[in-house]
Amino acid sequence: DAGVIQSPRHEVTEMGQEVTLRCKPISGHDYLFWYRQTMMRGLELLIYFNNNVPIDDSGMPEDRFSAKMPNASFSTLKIQPSEPRDSAVYFCASSLGDRETISGNTIYFGEGSWLTVV
Amino acid sequence: AQSVTQPDIHITVSEGASLELRCNYSYGATPYLFWYVQSPGQGLQLLLKYFSGDTLVQGIKGFEAEFKRSQSSFNLRKPSVHWSDAAEYFCAVGARGWGKLQFGAGTQVVVTP
Repeated sequence: DAGVIQSPRHEVTEMGQEVTLRCKPISGHDYLFWYRQTMMRGLELLIYFNNNVPIDDSGMPEDRFSAKMPNASFSTLKIQPSEPRDSAVYFCASSLGDRETISGNTIYFGEGSWLTVV
Repeated sequence: AQSVTQPDIHITVSEGASLELRCNYSYGATPYLFWYVQSPGQGLQLLLKYFSGDTLVQGIKGFEAEFKRSQSSFNLRKPSVHWSDAAEYFCAVGARGWGKLQFGAGTQVVVTP
């Protein structure tokens, strides 16, 4: 099993540029999560999908952030335009479960995309 | 609202000594409880989880945790730490039908020779 695969691992971009982070969940998993980690705010859930459908996007900070999951094996998190305060590690994670017991299933994390906006 | 508190931001422990990391949660029903570990530059890896049954849970890498409902706690322990245990540890709480996990702020563990 290849695990959750994220790209890019590291990105440095200028303020105002568009940033696209990509994620390939573990094959067969039906839940996908996007988290953001910073020193100030810790680990925050941004959005999660079930069977490619967004279930809860209440953690998305503002309209500059958007996430899509066009199919079961791919998701993107886009920031447009990017700002220095978006600098963080963005984790994608996936799990296998149903709506009633999702929290009881193990969430597997990718290694993260380290974003720096200058 | 559900919440998780890890009272210790940073712990330093000598190699070979025992380690205990504290986790307190706030949730009205029986929670699902997790401990994850994050090594530098890595994602989070599950150490162990509790759903029900035996309140003492064994995990990977020699870790164990005990669920104490009366104290709303789920503390993580290891009898003898190794230098490779230096990492950040996160406690998380979930619930049936909730759909996501609430993570604590994490505890950074430093292991000295």
